[in-house]
Amino acid sequence: DQQVKQNSPSLSVQEGRISILNCDYTNSMFDYFLWYKKYPAEGPTFLISISSIKDKNEDGRFTVFLNKSAKHLSLHIVPSQPGDSAVYFCAASAETSGSRLTFGEGTQLTVNP
Amino acid sequence: NAGVMQNPRHLVRRRGQEARLRCSPMKGHSHVYWYRQLPEEGLKFMVYLQKENIIDESGMPKERFSAEFPKEGPSILRIQQVVRGDSAAYFCASSPKTGGLNYGYTFGSGTRLTVV
Repeated sequence: DQQVKQNSPSLSVQEGRISILNCDYTNSMFDYFLWYKKYPAEGPTFLISISSIKDKNEDGRFTVFLNKSAKHLSLHIVPSQPGDSAVYFCAASAETSGSRLTFGEGTQLTVNP
Repeated sequence: NAGVMQNPRHLVRRRGQEARLRCSPMKGHSHVYWYRQLPEEGLKFMVYLQKENIIDESGMPKERFSAEFPKEGPSILRIQQVVRGDSAAYFCASSPKTGGLNYGYTFGSGTRLTVV
């Protein structure tokens, strides 16, 4: 049972344009959501998070949007840079499960110069 | 990722051997989490430990896998009698006593286990 799904395995955008990565979840108990970036042969690096009491959180070029009714969140990167090319993972947590994270399958973002 | 140290980075084991993966959390972090990433998949939670205590092992396979986080020294993930299906990247993460999720806690670079 995949509770967090990233339906796009890959995304390719031009440098300077917006990258939009999507994530859907099924567990209504999830109340905290995070995005991680991962380069090959490295561990995931935390990017940005959002609590279920909010619908938007912004940090520099990165903005996460949460639509609780649709159980959907998205990560916007503006403007996209070649160094953003990596695998992006969406993750979710429920207060009842402590600090355990449930990850999506990841989306490979490629930003072309 | 430099703060959470995992070793070895790569580990090759023959079927039936034991694999020991080590994780030293960031300084001041007393919570350790182990995740496994199979090829073409996302990370899957395995176990959550605090010093000398297993808090949540709901993601651990029932057999052959064990984890510990002793009072002194690194956390150890131990896989006995490895099989080819154990081949994966194993990631450790650590967080401070409180508020770990607010900072997304910190992952190590992982140990890539290959069973031949």
